[in-house]
Amino acid sequence: QVQLVQSGAEVKKPGASVKVSCKVSGYTLTELSMHWVRQAPGKGLEWMGGFDPEDGETIYAQKFQGRVTMTEDTSTDTAYMELSSLRSEDTAVYYCATARGSSRTFDYWGQGTLVTVSS
Amino acid sequence: DIQMTQSPSSLSASVGDRVTITCQASQDISNYLNWYQQKPGKAPKLLIYDASNLETGVPSRFSGSGSGTDFTFTISSLQPEDIATYYCQQYDNLPTFGQGTRLEIK
Repeated sequence: QVQLVQSGAEVKKPGASVKVSCKVSGYTLTELSMHWVRQAPGKGLEWMGGFDPEDGETIYAQKFQGRVTMTEDTSTDTAYMELSSLRSEDTAVYYCATARGSSRTFDYWGQGTLVTVSS
Repeated sequence: DIQMTQSPSSLSASVGDRVTITCQASQDISNYLNWYQQKPGKAPKLLIYDASNLETGVPSRFSGSGSGTDFTFTISSLQPEDIATYYCQQYDNLPTFGQGTRLEIK
């Protein structure tokens, strides 16, 4: 059973960066394909990017290209998502989620991390 | 990007009712379609994958069907614990979600 535990809530000023972590247990990170999905308050789900095992690369949604970086520390089985140049519209709950095999079916999710961007 | 149009956006039904939600893709996605349930303050939970396959541990009152561009999600007999928002998601291309259907008890 995969468990994903995310870091705590953050408050950031516009223009700053935030780095959210997602600690894996039950499996090693190398056995998983990690993705990130966000949800603005009262809104729907939005995929940000994730690892593509067929290419061996991380792919990002075009909307976030140049502003987001997803990394992994396999020594601690922790995934990270860093979003830069924050604006108020980035206020959201950020989820890590694992994709099943080479599909992008998200079967395990972290508990979510609220990032608030406010001056 | 492939657009997913989900309807209705909200739905009120009674316990025991049959509930149906539809999702339409902007292009053919074969059966690369999943359904998730999200309760307030919680992460989404996978219910149906590949359009019609029930995730392990999910009650059999949940089902999905469809292929190509038109998909249906059904709860055969609504239970109080089914109150949630439901999302479809395609993965034929980069993943996109429907806008969600908020389900309430009448």
